[in-house]
Amino acid sequence: SQQGEEDPQALSIQEGENATMNCSYKTSINNLQWYRQNSGRGLVHLILIRSNEREKHSGRLRVTLDTSKKSSSLLITASRAADTASYFCASPSGGYQKVTFGIGTKLQVIP
Amino acid sequence: DAGVTQSPTHLIKTRGQQVTLRCSPKSGHDTVSWYQQARGQGPQFIFQYYEEEERQRGNFPDRFSGHQFPNYSSELNVNALLLGDSALYLCASSEVATLGETQYFGPGTRLLVL
Repeated sequence: SQQGEEDPQALSIQEGENATMNCSYKTSINNLQWYRQNSGRGLVHLILIRSNEREKHSGRLRVTLDTSKKSSSLLITASRAADTASYFCASPSGGYQKVTFGIGTKLQVIP
Repeated sequence: DAGVTQSPTHLIKTRGQQVTLRCSPKSGHDTVSWYQQARGQGPQFIFQYYEEEERQRGNFPDRFSGHQFPNYSSELNVNALLLGDSALYLCASSEVATLGETQYFGPGTRLLVL
């Protein structure tokens, strides 16, 4: 089963615009992670936000976490064509911290 | 510093056959997790290996089995292949000390079952 659900499932924007993706999750988490996947290849870790953090930045990425609403958002500012990819949220659960992924948001940045 | 490697990159099998996929973790990592990703879906956790033992398992049948070797590399075996097993199989490695945090993924093995 999926822990997280990303919204929207697909997003198309012009280069230079900001892209916002949302993730909702079901159970309590220690942290929430965002990954990027280009064209069905391996996933690349983007950023991790812990349950006691509300906001985190990394370059053009900004992640927020609202544990009361069990939701997170990923903002990519000044998007580039190279940002075209699928983005997944993921969170660990279970005794050995199995990481569960959402269904992803497919982002297309049009040059 | 070599990242996570997987072999083969692509594989075509027929129903009922068996397949073995291989993964070498990132240098310094001791934990390997396997995921199945169907087209248009997120990765689904199959199982995790640490100290040559399966530590946690997702909702996959016993046809899916694995192994971890003393050098931390791992294999995923799937028996009695079904058409629905067609997917991208991803291996991810991490350190047990930071379990549940950043994982490093390999490029995946694309399996097609005919």
